[in-house]
Amino acid sequence: EPEVTQTPSHQVTQMGQEVILRCVPISNHLYFYWYRQILGQKVEFLVSFYNNEISEKSEIFDDQFSVERPDGSNFTLKIRSTKLEDSAMYFCASTTGGGGTEAFFGQGTRLTVV
Amino acid sequence: GIQVEQSPPDLILQEGANSTLRCNFSDSVNNLQWFHQNPWGQLINLFYIPSGTKQNGRLSATTVATERYSLLYISSSQTTDSGVYFCATNSNSGYALNFGKGTSLLVTP
Repeated sequence: EPEVTQTPSHQVTQMGQEVILRCVPISNHLYFYWYRQILGQKVEFLVSFYNNEISEKSEIFDDQFSVERPDGSNFTLKIRSTKLEDSAMYFCASTTGGGGTEAFFGQGTRLTVV
Repeated sequence: GIQVEQSPPDLILQEGANSTLRCNFSDSVNNLQWFHQNPWGQLINLFYIPSGTKQNGRLSATTVATERYSLLYISSSQTTDSGVYFCATNSNSGYALNFGKGTSLLVTP
C-alpha cells in the first residue's frame, strides 16, 4: 500500500542550527502538508503546498520556516535557526485533492533542539 | 478557524468493554477523519467519514454533518487499542486539517 515516508525518524540539533526534514509523499498525490505536535499536545497545521507554491499557512509558519519540492518526489521543511520551542514531532501528509480529500500521514520526525 | 472538541479527554476501559468517543465541530465541513496515535507517535488512519456510517472490524464511525458531530465506536476493546484517538476536520474553504485535543484511551487486561 502506498505510504508517506519521512526521514530522519529522529533528529537532535543544537539551538540556532538549521534543520531540513524530508518527506516523500504518495506518488499520485498533488497536495502536501506539514503539521507539528508538541509533546502531549494536539496536532497543529503548519503549511499546505500545491503546484509548487504555498496554498495556506498558519501563524506558526513564520519566516524561520520554508518548504520546497526540490524534485519530483521529495518535499522538505527547513527550519533556519532552531529554537528550544521547535522541539516537536513533525508530520508530513499528502492528499490527492484539496481540503475535502483523505489525508495520509507519514510516521513523523521527532525533532529535539538542545 | 473551525473548532474541534473531543470527549471524553481520558478513558480507562477493561478489556472486552465497549466505548463511544465523540467529536463536535463548529462549522460545516467537507472532511472528517479519525486517527489512532500509537505509542510510537504514528498517526494511523481509521476512518475518512465526512458523513454517514462506516465499519471496519471492531471499529465503526458515524458523522452527522448537519448536527456537527461524529462518533467513534470501539467494541470488545483490546489492550492494543490503547493510545490517543484524534478527530480532525477541515472547513469547506480550507486545506488545513484542524485536530481536536484527542481522547487518551487505556485498555487494561
